[in-house]
Amino acid sequence: DTEVTQTPKHLVMGMTNKKSLKCEQHMGHRAMYWYKQKAKKPPELMFVYSYEKLSINESVPSRFSPECPNSSLLNLHLHALQPEDSALYLCASSVATPGNSPLHFGNGTRLTVT
Amino acid sequence: AQRVTQPEKLLSVFKGAPVELKCNYSYSGSPELFWYVQYSRQRLQLLLRHISRESIKGFTADLNKGETSFHLKKPFAQEEDSAMYYCALRGYSGGSNYKLTFGKGTLLTVNP
Repeated sequence: DTEVTQTPKHLVMGMTNKKSLKCEQHMGHRAMYWYKQKAKKPPELMFVYSYEKLSINESVPSRFSPECPNSSLLNLHLHALQPEDSALYLCASSVATPGNSPLHFGNGTRLTVT
Repeated sequence: AQRVTQPEKLLSVFKGAPVELKCNYSYSGSPELFWYVQYSRQRLQLLLRHISRESIKGFTADLNKGETSFHLKKPFAQEEDSAMYYCALRGYSGGSNYKLTFGKGTLLTVNP
């Protein structure tokens, strides 16, 4: 299996809701990432997990809470979001050590905050 | 700090014409450079990486450390090449961390 699978594909939530985005890969990758992509913009890094430990947090607001329960799963818990958080949220995975290892991206979850 | 610059937001060529998408980078160490492509309604996918020196779908890219460039080239563009192209740099970010930084992207349109 060479894919990164993200669920749900689409999510609409109110500003008081709590929801979670899920990401799964079975390529044995030990680095996993969350990116945010606004329309017609490049992906922006949010979080990096390496060997199930949070290694990079790009000063993301606490209303976004990542979790890596095991080496195959990555979650992003959402609470009290703002309309400007509406975007495509991309999960990616890679080999944890560098050496020109590319990131493999999922299809993303398109989030709309109302 | 690492930075990737793609100077052209939009690029339009005719089918069969050569195409070059420019990418310049700023990084103090030895960079890992990639080209990613995003076709309409599809996931972001890897096109090329500099260390492989391969040709994918007729595209090539050569790392020029002197000019800090990694331009993407194809001698004869096809309509199915129309997509958003992102140049990306994976650089050291402290500790044991590396992160992938994207340029702003170039939207390539190949006209019939």
